[in-house]
Amino acid sequence: GAGVSQSPSNKVTEKGKDVELRCDPISGHTALYWYRQSLGQGLEFLIYFQGNSAPDKSGLPSDRFSAERTGGSVSTLTIQRTQQEDSAVYLCASSLTRVALLEQFFGPGTRLTVL
Amino acid sequence: SQQGEEDPQALSIQEGENATMNCSYKTSINNLQWYRQNSGRGLVHLILIRSNEREKHSGRLRVTLDTSKKSSSLLITASRAADTASYFCATVFTGANSKLTFGKGITLSVRP
Repeated sequence: GAGVSQSPSNKVTEKGKDVELRCDPISGHTALYWYRQSLGQGLEFLIYFQGNSAPDKSGLPSDRFSAERTGGSVSTLTIQRTQQEDSAVYLCASSLTRVALLEQFFGPGTRLTVL
Repeated sequence: SQQGEEDPQALSIQEGENATMNCSYKTSINNLQWYRQNSGRGLVHLILIRSNEREKHSGRLRVTLDTSKKSSSLLITASRAADTASYFCATVFTGANSKLTFGKGITLSVRP
């Protein structure tokens, strides 16, 4: 079956521009997560959606970052007025529910480069 | 920081040898998970161990958890060149629902 997909796979943008990153979770997965991975670093939690509940935005680094999840499925992470320090791989993951004992399935990531 | 810390940061072994990777954390956990990341790819879940478990096996993988020492180890037996990847431990802290906190990872190189 289809896994988590993300688009684009690579994005190069100029400082100050806005970017949108897309995530298609596995069908039926109600929980969706966004992480950021900088070069040589672990994953930094950004935001978490669970069904119709209010998202957990506690990991968003600034108000330039926002995310939506429409219809409980596809999610879009938007970064406004990009800065060079936003350059990283942005990973999306989904799981069946918010229950802590379930593994997360990761997409291949979007590599964002801000020039 | 609640972030898990892996040790060593990098490990290079010969094919056929065993690889042992360690992870330590600071606060009480619900469970601990190990993930693998091949270069340029997403993460793949390997194994999950609950806080009330001490050891789990999955194929060539063996994970131990010592909650008194707040540490876990991942053992890969009879390593293969295809095991070359980065390995991350991720913890779900008590009360954090399913939010994973990742360490910085261990780079494992298995020489053929």
